[in-house]
Amino acid sequence: GEDVEQSLFLSVREGDSSVINCTYTDSSSTYLYWYKQEPGAGLQLLTYIFSNMDMKQDQRLTVLLNKKDKHLSLRIADTQTGDSAIYFCAEDGGYQKVTFGIGTKLQVIP
Amino acid sequence: GAVVSQHPSWVICKSGTSVKIECRSLDFQATTMFWYRQFPKQSLMLMATSNEGSKATYEQGVEKDKFLINHASLTLSTLTVTSAHPEDSSFYICSAQRRLAGGNEQFFGPGTRLTVL
Repeated sequence: GEDVEQSLFLSVREGDSSVINCTYTDSSSTYLYWYKQEPGAGLQLLTYIFSNMDMKQDQRLTVLLNKKDKHLSLRIADTQTGDSAIYFCAEDGGYQKVTFGIGTKLQVIP
Repeated sequence: GAVVSQHPSWVICKSGTSVKIECRSLDFQATTMFWYRQFPKQSLMLMATSNEGSKATYEQGVEKDKFLINHASLTLSTLTVTSAHPEDSSFYICSAQRRLAGGNEQFFGPGTRLTVL
């Protein structure tokens, strides 16, 4: 079945850039998502990218997609303490099914 | 990792009937469970946050009388779609949150595909 993998933890200093990586296995993915979960809250969609795109930029967020290697990354520029959260990568394999990664906990050090 | 199950994995029902979907955390206690809905070719939408022993907190625009949530125990939450209509056809996914000393972990169920005829 589909599988999405991410590293569990990332620590960065405030003001630096954060890069969260994700790999997936389903080559038929149409959409790939990044979600953010703050403590005690549900998932909130941060951004998404269509599978025919290589890059998408939205303010401080940059999503890079390497479809050949099935690798997705999320770059957060000028990381702030408010960015501390868990970030989930997810892929839409069609048939309305979304597969999530386990989540990467981002810790921002002041 | 921890396992979250959903039952049924898919269901087809007639318009006007009610459907119950179960979400279980199989090997841990989940004080909080979330219910999401995915519209075709769109992202997941958070419907409600369910805390054990208390009423669910619904997101804006989600009808609480339409989508009944019960979190009766630390391992089970149920979502009942009442008087289902074709527009309720969707993919419903739950997640269960496990509280740890260093923070919370969240695990997703495999989802339930609901088709209303």
